[in-house]
Formats: sequence, C-alpha cells, structure tokens
Amino acid sequence: EVQLVQSGAEVKKPGESLKISCKGSGYSFTSYWIGWVRQMPGKGLEWMGIIYPGDSDTRYSPSFQGQVTISADKSISTAYLQWSSLKASDTAMYYCARRSRGYSGYGLYYYYMDVWGKGTTVTVSS
Amino acid sequence: SYELTQPPSVSVSPGQTARITCSGDALPKQYAYWYQQKPGQAPVLVIYKDSERPSGIPERFSGSSSGTTVTLTISGVQAEDEADYYCQSADSSGTHYVFGTGTKVTVL
Repeated sequence: EVQLVQSGAEVKKPGESLKISCKGSGYSFTSYWIGWVRQMPGKGLEWMGIIYPGDSDTRYSPSFQGQVTISADKSISTAYLQWSSLKASDTAMYYCARRSRGYSGYGLYYYYMDVWGKGTTVTVSS
Repeated sequence: SYELTQPPSVSVSPGQTARITCSGDALPKQYAYWYQQKPGQAPVLVIYKDSERPSGIPERFSGSSSGTTVTLTISGVQAEDEADYYCQSADSSGTHYVFGTGTKVTVL
C-alpha cells in the first residue's frame, strides 16, 4: 500500500526550532516529488513547496521562501519540513503529499497530488 | 501573486446538483485539480486534468473548463458529499502551485 506517514503532533514555544517528517512507503520514494501544504486553523490550504528526493531539488512558494526549509533523506525515504525560529503564526496543520505525473500528449505532462499524509499539527504558544 | 477564486459556500438539497466554480487568469493554460476535504481529514483528489476522475471516485463527480473558469459538478448530491472543496492549479509559468480559496458544500 502506498502511504505517507507523518510525525506526531508538536507543541512548541515561540523562538524554538522544529523539524517534522513524512515517510513514504509502498513506492519508489526517489521517483516522486513530495509537496508540503499548510492549513491554519479554520482556513484553507496553502502550497508551501516541493522537493524531489532523488536529488533534493527544491522549489518554494514565494510566500514561504526563507521561512521554512524543505529537505529529504532518500536513504530512509523521508522528507522534512523545518523551522529555525517558530512564531505563533506557524500554528497550523501541515500535510505532505506525493506528486504524480501523467502524460497529456505532445510532450506535455500534468501533475497532481495523489497520496496525502494524515497531517502533523504544530502548535506554537508561550 | 497568483490567485484562484471560489465561492465561499454552496448549499444544495440531497439529489440535486452542486456546481462549484474556480476562476484564475492562468486556467486557460494550466490544468485544474479538485480536492475534497472532510472535517479532520486530509484532502482527497476527486478530479485531475480539469475533468478526469481518479479510480474510486464516484461518477457523480465531474469537472469542466471554459476560459478562465473551471467547474466541479456534483450530480445527485449525497449527504456524504458535505465537505470543503479546493481547486488547485499553477501560475502561467507552471512554476508555482496555488490552491483556491475553498468552498464549503452544505447538504440541506
């Protein structure tokens, strides 16, 4: 079974650092990009960025560039999302998701997030 | 930054048809995808490449595209379809992904 298993809920204080994880299984982890999505309490989904575990090529949404770091360790099929100094506004649910690719013809591809982790709740409070 | 706009809410009676729109300037150039999210759960892909349905998704879910607007249609709505729905696409360069503002579907 293809699945992404995320690390457990975290409660942190402002200024602390944090690294949450997303472990893939049931497929070739190095062949698919992994994306991260934020959902603040009662709000919508926000795209944060994406990484290709095969070579750690990473792309960030402009809104999150410099605010978080996305990384991966292909030897243990795990992607990470980390903060160096948390803020209360980082309180949210964070999802990882696998990006799959389809071929639409004429040399063009399309991409979609087909497998999602259950999410990691991060609470930042003094 | 690029934005995708959806109506905040749609209400529909069981058995009727719900239509959710998503508007964005780059939609004529980029495919759209739709995700369903129920309370306390992760999103689930219900439509990809504007109008394709993943395996396991009921036939009552369909998608269409016209110009700068894409539409998710739920025909014969059932109580279990009550959820938040998000469109997702990319900017005109295809570099940055974005989600729509989200639509809450309420089954009366």
